[in-house]
Amino acid sequence: DAKTTQPNSMESNEEEPVHLPCNHSTISGTDYIHWYRQLPSQGPEYVIHGLTSNVNNRMASLAIAEDRKSSTLILHRATLRDAAVYYCILRDSDDKIIFGKGTRLHILP
Amino acid sequence: DSGVTQTPKHLITATGQRVTLRCSPRSGDLSVYWYQQSLDQGLQFLIQYYNGEERAKGNILERFSAQQFPDLHSELNLSSLELGDSALYFCASRPPLTDTQYFGPGTRLTVL
Repeated sequence: DAKTTQPNSMESNEEEPVHLPCNHSTISGTDYIHWYRQLPSQGPEYVIHGLTSNVNNRMASLAIAEDRKSSTLILHRATLRDAAVYYCILRDSDDKIIFGKGTRLHILP
Repeated sequence: DSGVTQTPKHLITATGQRVTLRCSPRSGDLSVYWYQQSLDQGLQFLIQYYNGEERAKGNILERFSAQQFPDLHSELNLSSLELGDSALYFCASRPPLTDTQYFGPGTRLTVL
């Protein structure tokens, strides 16, 4: 799996949007960009994934740069329950997930 | 609730012992993955099974082994346990024709 770079931690106020960045400058054409998150004392949870186009689902949006060398996970209105470690992962045909350190998101009430 | 179950939730044992962790995947999921999460190493992929066959291996020690049974549940066996094996062990399963893994709640292993 190609490498990703994320900030160690971020803070956001409750009910405000959060933009979590991820750099993946060595991404290949077949790598999908996946985001998982891990809430305290729980297993990782799938959030969203995409290849080239921006993606939306009920949890979040994924904005992918035109050159695909970076992406941003957008939580439109953060709640205290969104406090977690967010992992940005590149996956090709390999089935396993290689987790990095992720970004620890703190939500301030 | 992801639909993946793991037992036991907690396990405390001594160095040198052997333990078995159990995972039941979501109904219909043929793929099972095992991951280890320790404080210093983060989440590490250990091994994957697909429909009873080993599919991929990661950073799994020789003291560790796994298998997937005909009913698709999986067991991770850890032997000659060391203090450094203390960690959270997660199992995940993946539905056919999707790329998403669903993780269980984990088993916390403490080796004293």
